[in-house]
Amino acid sequence: NAGVMQNPRHLVRRRGQEARLRCSPMKGHSHVYWYRQLPEEGLKFMVYLQKENIIDESGMPKERFSAEFPKEGPSILRIQQVVRGDSAAYFCASSPGSGAYNEQFFGPGTRLTVL
Amino acid sequence: RKEVEQDPGPFNVPEGATVAFNCTYSNSASQSFFWYRQDCRKEPKLLMSVYSSGNEDGRFTAQLNRASQYISLLIRDSKLSDSATYLCVVNQGGASGSARQLTFGSGTQLTVLP
Repeated sequence: NAGVMQNPRHLVRRRGQEARLRCSPMKGHSHVYWYRQLPEEGLKFMVYLQKENIIDESGMPKERFSAEFPKEGPSILRIQQVVRGDSAAYFCASSPGSGAYNEQFFGPGTRLTVL
Repeated sequence: RKEVEQDPGPFNVPEGATVAFNCTYSNSASQSFFWYRQDCRKEPKLLMSVYSSGNEDGRFTAQLNRASQYISLLIRDSKLSDSATYLCVVNQGGASGSARQLTFGSGTQLTVLP
């Protein structure tokens, strides 16, 4: 499968626990984006990363959320001390380049449920 | 005003019908435009990019009017499998890092009936 891979597909956490979401971009893509879709709402941009760099994190909540894209391995979205309002579908996308005309391709998403 | 606005629908049409979706965007500096479709509880899938001159891909035609900041999608001879939520998506472009994020409309729901 040459598409964007995300895991886990479903994640259940209790309030106060940590959630780690992983994303492997398409082969040949070095630009990764994370989006969040709250129940019954549209997708909202969270963060844009290239290898070892955060380029734009203007959509990230100020606290508890962090993201990385190390030189080796997948991109990680980390949510510390989860709360019920973090329950959502988290989608990762990748693109081959950085221009505005580059199309972004989405992974299947991770559905986070906070009990 | 929302950055990208769409009629939420739902649109319920019979098989074979032609259906059109409209979308407006607020930032006149926006550079690139896309239509994605999203099936229930699935990821958005790129349907087509929208170019200034308009473009067609089989039964799907997309148009862009920069002066009116308006994007449209026309689906001809609709199929049952076209039932989905159609998302109008804008990339504002520019030199800064924020240029890369996509801004999504809330989607228009289409159901094609047998």
